[in-house]
Amino acid sequence: DQQVKQNSPSLSVQEGRISILNCDYTNSMFDYFLWYKKYPAEGPTFLISISSIKDKNEDGRFTVFLNKSAKHLSLHIVPSQPGDSAVYFCAASNNNAGNMLTFGGGTRLMVKP
Amino acid sequence: DVKVTQSSRYLVKRTGEKVFLECVQDMDHENMFWYRQDPGLGLRLIYFSYDVKMKEKGDIPEGYSVSREKKERFSLILESASTNQTSMYLCASSSGGNVIRYTFGSGTRLTVV
Repeated sequence: DQQVKQNSPSLSVQEGRISILNCDYTNSMFDYFLWYKKYPAEGPTFLISISSIKDKNEDGRFTVFLNKSAKHLSLHIVPSQPGDSAVYFCAASNNNAGNMLTFGGGTRLMVKP
Repeated sequence: DVKVTQSSRYLVKRTGEKVFLECVQDMDHENMFWYRQDPGLGLRLIYFSYDVKMKEKGDIPEGYSVSREKKERFSLILESASTNQTSMYLCASSSGGNVIRYTFGSGTRLTVV
């Protein structure tokens, strides 16, 4: 039973346009959400996070939106750059239930010059 | 910055060999994790540890064991390597507390022939 799902395995976007990566979750107890970025042959690196008390968090070109009623979050990258090409993992946690992140399956983003 | 170091970037082992993957973190984190990443399957948790000499099975522990004799070191052991254990192995650590955020190592690409 996959509690965090990224339904799009890949996404292709033109440089300069917006990239939107989506993530759905089923566990209503999740209260903290993160996005990680992974280049080939490297470990994932933390990108941005959001607490369930917020519906938006912005950091430069990256914005994460959270819709709790729909159990959906999205990562917006504006403008997209070729260096953003990577695999993006969505992750979630219930901070009252241990120190564990639950990861989605990942979305491979390709930004074309 | 927290650093998580995995001893090997690339390994090639023969079927049936006993394989040790080492992971060391330098920020006194309580929690350590081993994942494997395979195309289309995302990050799957193998084992984790919340304390020295403590270990818990993750989602796919079969064929693996772990050792945590010191707080900073978490070793993954493939008792008898098989070709289906060819994968990217990722170690992560995190501190305790209210915000769960992993720091990952660079990964070990293991090929079993």
